[in-house]
Formats: sequence, structure tokens, C-alpha cells
Amino acid sequence: EVQMVESGGGLVQPGGSLRLSCAASGFVFSSYAMTWVRQAPGKGLEWVTGIDVSGMSTYYGHSVRGRFTISRDNAKDTVFLQMNSLRVEDTAIYYCAKGGTQVRGVSSFDRWGQGVLVTVSS
Amino acid sequence: QSVLTQPPSASGTPGQRVIVSCSGSTSNIGRNIVNWYQQVPGMAPKLVIYTTNQRPSGVPARFSGSKSGTSASLAISGLQSEDEADYYCATWDDSLNGPVFGGGTKLTVL
Repeated sequence: EVQMVESGGGLVQPGGSLRLSCAASGFVFSSYAMTWVRQAPGKGLEWVTGIDVSGMSTYYGHSVRGRFTISRDNAKDTVFLQMNSLRVEDTAIYYCAKGGTQVRGVSSFDRWGQGVLVTVSS
Repeated sequence: QSVLTQPPSASGTPGQRVIVSCSGSTSNIGRNIVNWYQQVPGMAPKLVIYTTNQRPSGVPARFSGSKSGTSASLAISGLQSEDEADYYCATWDDSLNGPVFGGGTKLTVL
């Protein structure tokens, strides 16, 4: 069974940092691009970032570019999201999702984790 | 404000056919495939239509998708109470170089 489990969320002050992890299982992790999508309380879905199968190519949404970094460890079937310079508006549930064989051109994510809550507040 | 425009709400009675629309532009829907997600409150989104009109395994045939020009639609026929959820369209945007989502449509089964 395909499964993604996120961890690392919590409460952080504005300007602080947090690192999210997403452990995947049930599929050949190294063959698929991975993505992070977030959802602010009561709001819609917002794509955050994506990483290709090798980890060499990464893509970022405009609201997080320069502050967030996505990476992956194919030996551990895990994708990470390093979040720096956090803002109140970054408060959201962060979902990791399994994409296609590449990031570019893909908006179809067929498996999602349960999500992890990140709260940025003083 | 979302790049893709969806009506905030839609409703129907059991057995009816409901259509949810998604409007975009030439940089997104106009040149890329569209996907649709269903999200029940408190749960993660679930892919219900991919590549504009394909259903993943396990999604009922009552769900169908289509696209014309810069707009796309999700149709749900034979509406059931379990279909009550938020629905989001998504596609790739060539100008933004990333996926974009619609603002979501809350479907109520009366």
C-alpha cells in the first residue's frame, strides 16, 4: 500500500525555521517526483515546491522562493522541506504528495500524506 | 486570489447531475491537461480526475471531466450524499512554471 507520513510540524515564531520530513513506502520512491502542497486554515490548496527523481531539479512557488528548500534522500525514501524565515502567512497544513516521473508539466498527484500542521505565531 | 477561477459553492439533490466549472487562461488550461481533487473536511485531497477526463482506479464512473479552450468542468451524475466535499481543479501554468489550483468549490448535497 502506498503511504506517505509527514512529520516535523509544530509552533514556531516568526523568523524561525522548521524542517518537515515525509517518509514514503509502498512504491519505488526513486522513480517519482515529489511535491509539497499547503492549505492555510479555511483556505484552498497552494502548491509549494517540487523535486525531480534525482533531486537535481527543484521548483518553487513565488511565495516561498528563497526561503524554503526541498530535498530528498532516495536511500531512505524520504523527502524534506526546510523552511527558513517563516512568516505568519506560512501557517498551514503541509501535505507531501507523489507526482509523476517529472515535476515540469505535472499537476496530477495520485497519493497524499495526511498532512502536518505548521503554526507561525509569536 | 487563485489563478484558476471556480464558483465558491454548488449544490444538488440526490440523483441529480452537478457540474463544477474551472476557468483559466492560455498559459494554463489552454495548453495543459486538467486534474480534479476531492477533499472531505479534515482529510487529505484525493485525485478523482486526471489528464482532463480519466478516472483513477476506484473512482466511480459518475465522475467525469472535460475541457474546452481555457475552461474545464467536472461533472458528477447520480449525486450521492458521500459526494459532499470541496472540489479543486489543477493544471500546470507555463508562465508561473508550476502547478496552480482553483480556489475550490464546496459541493452540498441537499
